[in-house]
Amino acid sequence: ELKVEQNPLFLSMQEGKNYTIYCDYSTTSDRLYWYRQDPGKSLESLFVLLSNGAVKQEGRLMASLDTKARLSTLHITAAVHDLSATYFCAVDRPGTYKYIFGTGTRLKVLA
Amino acid sequence: GAGVSQSPSNKVTEKGKDVELRCDPISGHTALYWYRQRLGQGLEFLIYFQGNSAPDKSGLPSDRFSAERTGESVSTLTIQRTQQEDSAVYLCASSLALGAGKGEQYFGPGTRLTVT
Repeated sequence: ELKVEQNPLFLSMQEGKNYTIYCDYSTTSDRLYWYRQDPGKSLESLFVLLSNGAVKQEGRLMASLDTKARLSTLHITAAVHDLSATYFCAVDRPGTYKYIFGTGTRLKVLA
Repeated sequence: GAGVSQSPSNKVTEKGKDVELRCDPISGHTALYWYRQRLGQGLEFLIYFQGNSAPDKSGLPSDRFSAERTGESVSTLTIQRTQQEDSAVYLCASSLALGAGKGEQYFGPGTRLTVT
């Protein structure tokens, strides 16, 4: 069964610092998605990664995908308070289009 | 254009009652998905539609749950004989299609269901 794990589950960091969130998945897939969820809100799409070695950047966030290692990373550069949210990665199960979401990483950026 | 909409936004119901949750996807999106999110937890995949067809219903938690989609548009998720463990936020999402390059999902605001 496809499993998607994120670490850390909780992350408290100071403004201006860098950090990386990891997303590991257990079966072959070359499609990985990152979403952001603010408290009490729905999910917002951040990145779509569709091939091995894909890298995408938006502002202070950069996502990458290594399909051989079954690993995606979300790197935060010089964090700011507005980045505080829960971040989810998701993988769609090959052949079924069932999306499996990771456990989420709750990020809190301290001023 | 309009995003994914869901109704109602909040629903409180008594244990044992039936509830119907509605999702209006983005116009032109052929794929539609339902998820459940319990408080403080991740998303649990329930079902997806390609057009009006749901190829895989194995994610539905029990036979009290059913979903349908008509006209490649509106979808309804029905929960019969609700139980307290059904309390959660039910999220709907749509995407242009299934598969690489078109599977980016756009989420609705969710329906918060509370079973008392």
